[in-house]
Amino acid sequence: DAGVTQSPTHLIKTRGQQVTLRCSPKSGHDTVSWYQQALGQGPQFIFQYYEEEERQRGNFPDRFSGHQFPNYSSELNVNALLLGDSALYLCASSPPGLAGGPTQYFGPGTRLTVL
Amino acid sequence: TQLLEQSPQFLSIQEGENLTVYCNSSSVFSSLQWYRQEPGEGPVLLVTVVTGGEVKKLKRLTFQFGDARKDSSLHITAAQTGDTGLYLCAGGSQGNLIFGKGTKLSVKP
Repeated sequence: DAGVTQSPTHLIKTRGQQVTLRCSPKSGHDTVSWYQQALGQGPQFIFQYYEEEERQRGNFPDRFSGHQFPNYSSELNVNALLLGDSALYLCASSPPGLAGGPTQYFGPGTRLTVL
Repeated sequence: TQLLEQSPQFLSIQEGENLTVYCNSSSVFSSLQWYRQEPGEGPVLLVTVVTGGEVKKLKRLTFQFGDARKDSSLHITAAQTGDTGLYLCAGGSQGNLIFGKGTKLSVKP
């Protein structure tokens, strides 16, 4: 049973560029959440997707956007990258019937470095 | 704003010792999860607790959810070097998770 997968593993971008990160949820899961984890911090909630729509959003600017596809996979897009966007970006999925909680299963993350 | 405070922030112990880490909040959570994270990897779920006063055991790990569902603890008995890692607690809130900053545990041989 494949768990949550994310790509790419690592990414280096320069300020002002745009980036797209991808996530495939665990088999049977329909809700995908994205988190940003800065060095030495706990993950911070960015947004959550269910039925191809953004259901909840954390305190992140509009430069952060996302999408969910009919197969439940998801993308996170970040425009106009800033140095402070350097972080580990985590995708988590949760099974149907629990309104996106309480338990979420995390992927290995994408390490984004902005120079 | 809901916040989770974890303590201690850092903990370095010898193999075989016992330890407890704490997760506290002024807010009530519908559930609480504990995760363990290795450097550069995603958090791995250890346990979910949903009922106030609930105690769950996972081999040498014992998790407790406070009666008021505002706090939790993780106790490790006879720590092993393989227990080294970042321990994160996360409170369930309206479908998303609010994380503490974590306790970085180092178990020395």
